Amino acid sequence: QQQVKQSPQSLIVQKGGISIINCAYENTAFDYFPWYQQFPGKGPALLIAIRPDVSEKKEGRFTISFNKSAKQFSLHIMDSQPGDSATYFCAASTGRRALTFGSGTRLQVQP
Amino acid sequence: GAVVSQHPSRVICKSGTSVKIECRSLDFQATTMFWYRQFPKQSLMLMATSNEGSKATYEQGVEKDKFLINHASLTLSTLTVTSAHPEDSSFYICSARDPSWEQFFGPGTRLTVL
Repeated sequence: QQQVKQSPQSLIVQKGGISIINCAYENTAFDYFPWYQQFPGKGPALLIAIRPDVSEKKEGRFTISFNKSAKQFSLHIMDSQPGDSATYFCAASTGRRALTFGSGTRLQVQP
Repeated sequence: GAVVSQHPSRVICKSGTSVKIECRSLDFQATTMFWYRQFPKQSLMLMATSNEGSKATYEQGVEKDKFLINHASLTLSTLTVTSAHPEDSSFYICSARDPSWEQFFGPGTRLTVL
């Protein structure tokens, strides 16, 4: 049973636009929600993370929005650049347990 | 952020041989490390959780006798793929949890079994 559902599977955005990736979870015990960026042939890199006591967190061009009642969280990339083209994974975990990953979103930012 | 290294980055081996992959946390001590497997264009699949000084916990469907995990120190975990076969070819990635519980990933190891 997939516990973190991610959409869309792929996304094409024009340079300067906003990229939005959504995730929904089922396990209400999750208390940590990170986003990872992965380039081909590389390991995932932690981008930004949020805990359920806040509804939004912003770091530079990256913002996480969190809706606890809807069990959803999203990543917004403002002023998207070609260098942002990568695969993005949302994830969730509870306590000391391992991360549960979403299926990934392949983002392509066109110049 | 914290740095996690993996060695080797690429390995090609013959069917039936064993391959060892090392995962090191370079600037922090990690009591817990994780091993993942990733197929092309797919998400990361957790294989096992490695705890320093104790036996690894394997996910359902992962053969513990085939994928041997050792976490001998707070900065090193190893994954040994025993009697490798072509179907074991994949991208193996480790991660380490730092004291703030954030997980940082290594660069991955591309295993090709001929």
